[in-house]
Amino acid sequence: AQTVTQSQPEMSVQEAETVTLSCTYDTSESDYYLFWYKQPPSRQMILVIRQEAYKQQNATENRFSVNFQKAAKSFSLKISDSQLGDAAMYFCAYRSAAGKSTFGDGTTLTVKP
Amino acid sequence: DGGITQSPKYLFRKEGQNVTLSCEQNLNHDAMYWYRQDPGQGLRLIYYSQIVNDFQKGDIAEGYSVSREKKESFPLTVTSAQKNPTAFYLCASTPFIGGFADTQYFGPGTRLTVL
Repeated sequence: AQTVTQSQPEMSVQEAETVTLSCTYDTSESDYYLFWYKQPPSRQMILVIRQEAYKQQNATENRFSVNFQKAAKSFSLKISDSQLGDAAMYFCAYRSAAGKSTFGDGTTLTVKP
Repeated sequence: DGGITQSPKYLFRKEGQNVTLSCEQNLNHDAMYWYRQDPGQGLRLIYYSQIVNDFQKGDIAEGYSVSREKKESFPLTVTSAQKNPTAFYLCASTPFIGGFADTQYFGPGTRLTVL
């Protein structure tokens, strides 16, 4: 079975600074997909960024980028120029090619003004 | 607007009662999912469905049941066999493209409390 580990239950960052959230996963599959989701206090899950395992190039979406290390099974999220609206719980998720998803326990990000 | 709706937002149930949570999508997505979220934890997969009249168990299916009679609807029943049903429940959907590669769209969730 796949597992996803987020080793940082809480993180804080100063507004306009950069923060990196960690995620590691365990799988024996070669074809899979990785995601970062944001869950603000409203509890609505919002996709931040996605990465296909077969792509070597790291995904980027505006201020959000990932560092995908397939051999190390690591998938960290970097948030640049942090904004107050970035404060939320962030979840790393693994999805197998067959469609089954596994989520980490989340990292609560606080942004200090 | 296209999206996923879940109702009700808050649901209270007495012990021993079955309760059904609604999930409807108008995105024309083939695949639908149900997740459970407990405080301080991530999402755990209960059931998922790739096509109408077909569904598979996730990691924590015991005490839950689903049906998929229509493409747009995927109701979840929490039965009395579920020992600790108080949780936040999220429904999601994806277009069926290859191996579930596409993004999951989530509903707003239902908070179930057992009294």
